[in-house]
Amino acid sequence: EDQVTQSPEALRLQEGESSSLNCSYTVSGLRGLFWYRQDPGKGPEFLFTLYSAGEEKEKERLKATLTKKESFLHITAPKPEDSATYLCAVQVSPSSNTGKLIFGQGTTLQVKP
Amino acid sequence: DAGVTQSPTHLIKTRGQQVTLRCSPKSGHDTVSWYQQALGQGPQFIFQYYEEEERQRGNFPDRFSGHQFPNYSSELNVNALLLGDSALYLCASSLVTGVGYTFGSGTRLTVV
Repeated sequence: EDQVTQSPEALRLQEGESSSLNCSYTVSGLRGLFWYRQDPGKGPEFLFTLYSAGEEKEKERLKATLTKKESFLHITAPKPEDSATYLCAVQVSPSSNTGKLIFGQGTTLQVKP
Repeated sequence: DAGVTQSPTHLIKTRGQQVTLRCSPKSGHDTVSWYQQALGQGPQFIFQYYEEEERQRGNFPDRFSGHQFPNYSSELNVNALLLGDSALYLCASSLVTGVGYTFGSGTRLTVV
């Protein structure tokens, strides 16, 4: 069964304290791995898409990496405005680029000033 | 360029009632997917519509049904509401020939 697991469930950091969020996946055929940011009561906001092992993408203080079994979201010198829930999702579809997304349960990040 | 628009933003219904949620996709997108997100959980795939037909369906009962209109907008209908249907319902649009999804802000459904 296709499955996505994120860890930790919650993370508290001091401003400037770098850390990493983990997303482990077991799927039959990975089409893409997505990272989203979600603020309370809002919809997920797209951050990155990764397609193959070894791929890396960066945006401001965030960097996403991908291996054959997991992905990491590295947060460098976080600020309080980085506080949110970070969702990882995998797309599995044998024949389409718009197959369903399977989400992890998310990591809730709190950055204290 | 408008993103994905969902209505209403909040809704309170009584157990046993029926509800209809609406979604307008991002301009240029032709595919609409619906997700249910319970509090503290990741979104769960309900179904996806393309060319006014259901293409994929997740593990949800037949009480959940949908529709896509010629202008690509979509509706999610839930019959015989249960307390456990209380959740944030998210609509995501995409292009069948591309990759990536744009999510709306969701409809918060509370069943009492």
